Amino acid sequence: GESVGLHLPTLSVQEGDNSIINCAYSNSASDYFIWYKQESGKGPQFIIDIRSNMDKRQGQRVTVLLNKTVKHLSLQIAATQPGDSAVYFCAENPNDYKLSFGAGTTVTVRA
Amino acid sequence: NAGVMQNPRHLVRRRGQEARLRCSPMKGHSHVYWYRQLPEEGLKFMVYLQKENIIDESGMPKERFSAEFPKEGPSILRIQQVVRGDSAAYFCASSPERGPSYEQYFGPGTRLTVT
Repeated sequence: GESVGLHLPTLSVQEGDNSIINCAYSNSASDYFIWYKQESGKGPQFIIDIRSNMDKRQGQRVTVLLNKTVKHLSLQIAATQPGDSAVYFCAENPNDYKLSFGAGTTVTVRA
Repeated sequence: NAGVMQNPRHLVRRRGQEARLRCSPMKGHSHVYWYRQLPEEGLKFMVYLQKENIIDESGMPKERFSAEFPKEGPSILRIQQVVRGDSAAYFCASSPERGPSYEQYFGPGTRLTVT
């Protein structure tokens, strides 16, 4: 069966520091792994994705790392800002369209 | 270009009543997906629809739940005879014409409370 999970439910980070959010998955057949950001009262917002044949992908202030050996995914946010406070979900894509979400990590940025 | 729209944003129903949740996909999108999010949990896939067709309803409870996406108008998720366990946030997402895709754009959700 598939399982996507996050290591820690909450993360508190000082403004300006880097954040690292971790996720473990069990379905090796997924083609893509995706990170979403969900602010209070809103729907998930796409942040970045990575294809299963890659191990690193960079976006604007974010980097996703994929370690298929240990089935681990991480999201790094550089210079964390107050607007980064949200719940972050990793998701995997076991087929063309279905998304399987983990439980989420709540990131709180301290001023 | 307006994003995915859902209404109502909040819905309160008593046990036994029906809940109807509406979703208008982004302009030009013909693929709609519904997800349910229980408190403190991630989203769970329910159903994938194209215009007038249900493609995959493997995540939808077999009873009381139904979904449609008519040729004209929004997609509807219907829950009959609601129970307290149906209380959750229901999110709709859509993807572009080129095909089913994990590149889904989510709406703001409908928060259903069953009293």
